Amino acid sequence: QLQLQESGPGLVKPSETLSLTCTVSSGSISSSHHLWGWIRQPPGKELEWIGSVYYRGSTDYNPSLESRVTISVDTSKNQFSLSLISVTAADTAVYYCVRRSVGQNWFDPWGQGTLVTVSS
Amino acid sequence: QSALTQPASVSGSPGQSITISCTGTNSDVGGHDFVSWYQHRPGKAPQLMIYDVTVRPSGVSNRFSGSKSGNTASLTISGLQAEDEADYYCSSYTSSSTWVFGGGTQLTVL
Repeated sequence: QLQLQESGPGLVKPSETLSLTCTVSSGSISSSHHLWGWIRQPPGKELEWIGSVYYRGSTDYNPSLESRVTISVDTSKNQFSLSLISVTAADTAVYYCVRRSVGQNWFDPWGQGTLVTVSS
Repeated sequence: QSALTQPASVSGSPGQSITISCTGTNSDVGGHDFVSWYQHRPGKAPQLMIYDVTVRPSGVSNRFSGSKSGNTASLTISGLQAEDEADYYCSSYTSSSTWVFGGGTQLTVL
């Protein structure tokens, strides 16, 4: 069964760049049927869709974050990554990596999530 | 895009049925049949329970069912079991080609 696992620093300083990686196991990221994405949940707030990437590199992003976010894919490592620049305390959240089937509107599976705190 | 509205908490006794509501707008829940529901137990990855309003993925108990009326979607859990205790989140595709989520509902099995 395909599994996703997030990794990256748990603490990032304000104005710096948040970088996370999601490793795909028991499945190939080079599937033509799936997209790979990120969702986050700030403490006490609702989940927020960040964006997604196709294995060929095409992306789509939440307009509210588009100016600061990049999602990329590394097929050789079966990984995809999230980069969020110029972070503030408002970017403190649990970040989840997810898979979405092309043409579908649900996310499955999810990673367990990783907490990233933005603080000096 | 505003979040979908869910009750903060619901509770029920074993064997009972509960319903969690998820209210949006004509631009999300009411405008598309693309509502999904996720179960999140502490320390575990969120799990897809319902998609496309009413469809149950393989492996999900038939005690879970989904429905929609207007701008409100609902998740019903029948025959409550202790293992159902978790947070539940709804999500909808939107007319802006994004996805929006609810704030989550904490289910307590008494």
